[in-house]
Amino acid sequence: EIVLTQSPGTLSLSPGERATLSCRAGPSISISYLAWYQQKPGQAPRLLIYGTSSRATGIPDRFSGSGSGTDFTLTINRLEPEDSAVYYCQQYNSSPFTFGPGTKVEIK
Amino acid sequence: EVQLLESGGGLVQPGGSLRLSCAASGFTFSSYVMTWARQAPGKGLEWVSAISAGGDSTYYAGSVKGRLTISRDNSKNTLSLQMNSLRAEDTAVYYCAKGRGSGWYVPIDNWGQGTLVTVSS
Repeated sequence: EIVLTQSPGTLSLSPGERATLSCRAGPSISISYLAWYQQKPGQAPRLLIYGTSSRATGIPDRFSGSGSGTDFTLTINRLEPEDSAVYYCQQYNSSPFTFGPGTKVEIK
Repeated sequence: EVQLLESGGGLVQPGGSLRLSCAASGFTFSSYVMTWARQAPGKGLEWVSAISAGGDSTYYAGSVKGRLTISRDNSKNTLSLQMNSLRAEDTAVYYCAKGRGSGWYVPIDNWGQGTLVTVSS
């Protein structure tokens, strides 16, 4: 089973700042099979990024993904209050298609 | 517009059974991998199970294998999850989710709103 770890657990930033979220996979995965989701309180998750760096439909270009092998990053530029949420990475390289534990982004 | 509507959640005693359903609309249901994921209260997401577009192949998380069974009826655009031998740790919101394609190795691009399953005596 591929285990995903995310850091930091919580990120507290001001509007306009940049958020950098990390997702580490063990063992390594192909860049084709890493996704990021956003979940706001009381809502279902929403796909942000797939294939490490491709934005899903309707996702603003403030959101970008990068990485390879075992280390992947979600970057959110010019943070807005609406970006307050928990962000999960998921690998779909091999079953079980595990999620990371999440990073909570708080906007001050 | 893709719509996924879960039903069947509720309170069940440990060791009991429950069957969840998901009514899908707005897309060609038979062309996509479908997934169940869950989220325990205040916790993160957990992938549970997936089924191929044709329904002939399935995958399960180790924590549910042998107790939960995923199935689909492409003639009725319905996804199901039969849950047996339920445990307290199965308490969660269960989400029905659509894959972004027909192959196995695809992200989830649409989620239902979830149905709550509570396992307690």
